[in-house]
Amino acid sequence: GEDVEQSLFLSVREGDSSVINCTYTDSSSTYLYWYKQEPGAGLQLLTYIFSNMDMKQDQRLTVLLNKKDKHLSLRIADTQTGDSAIYFCAEKDTGFQKLVFGTGTRLLVSP
Amino acid sequence: DTEVTQTPKHLVMGMTNKKSLKCEQHMGHRAMYWYKQKAKKPPELMFVYSYEKLSINESVPSRFSPECPNSSLLNLHLHALQPEDSALYLCASSQESEGVLAYEQYFGPGTRLTVT
Repeated sequence: GEDVEQSLFLSVREGDSSVINCTYTDSSSTYLYWYKQEPGAGLQLLTYIFSNMDMKQDQRLTVLLNKKDKHLSLRIADTQTGDSAIYFCAEKDTGFQKLVFGTGTRLLVSP
Repeated sequence: DTEVTQTPKHLVMGMTNKKSLKCEQHMGHRAMYWYKQKAKKPPELMFVYSYEKLSINESVPSRFSPECPNSSLLNLHLHALQPEDSALYLCASSQESEGVLAYEQYFGPGTRLTVT
């Protein structure tokens, strides 16, 4: 199966930008996703990007995709304490009807 | 209504008990999923139902038995579980089970299961 890697932890101050990175191995992935999980809660879909796009912006969120390097990033502008959560990138498993989640990045935003 | 609800929120059960987890959605979604999530790990897919039929079973032990009584409900029946089965069990749904919409999944808050 595919391995989707993320850095474990990111700490930023309120108002700064956060950049969460993800590397994946399946070059045929057509869709890549970012989910957010707050403590004790389920996952919430934040955004997704098609593989034929390089960038997608949605309010404070910017997704960048580098297909050559199989690298995906999520930038959160003006990070707030409410953004503190675990962020998972995910890709569609080739040939199967399922998402493969990354290892998750815990974002801590301090005042 | 974009909510997936799960009951109970917390469940403690012994290894000889039988219990069920319930999941409900009223978004008209035709695909529903069970995931297991251990602490500090990503969710792992267990089962996928598409149009009320089981379409994926990720080699889950038979002590977990899913059921989809109708398009809005998904159950997970538990019997003779082991302590290592303690985890957060997440239910999700999506419009379809294939295509981009399959992966736009809506998750419930989960049931925190502890097996003693």
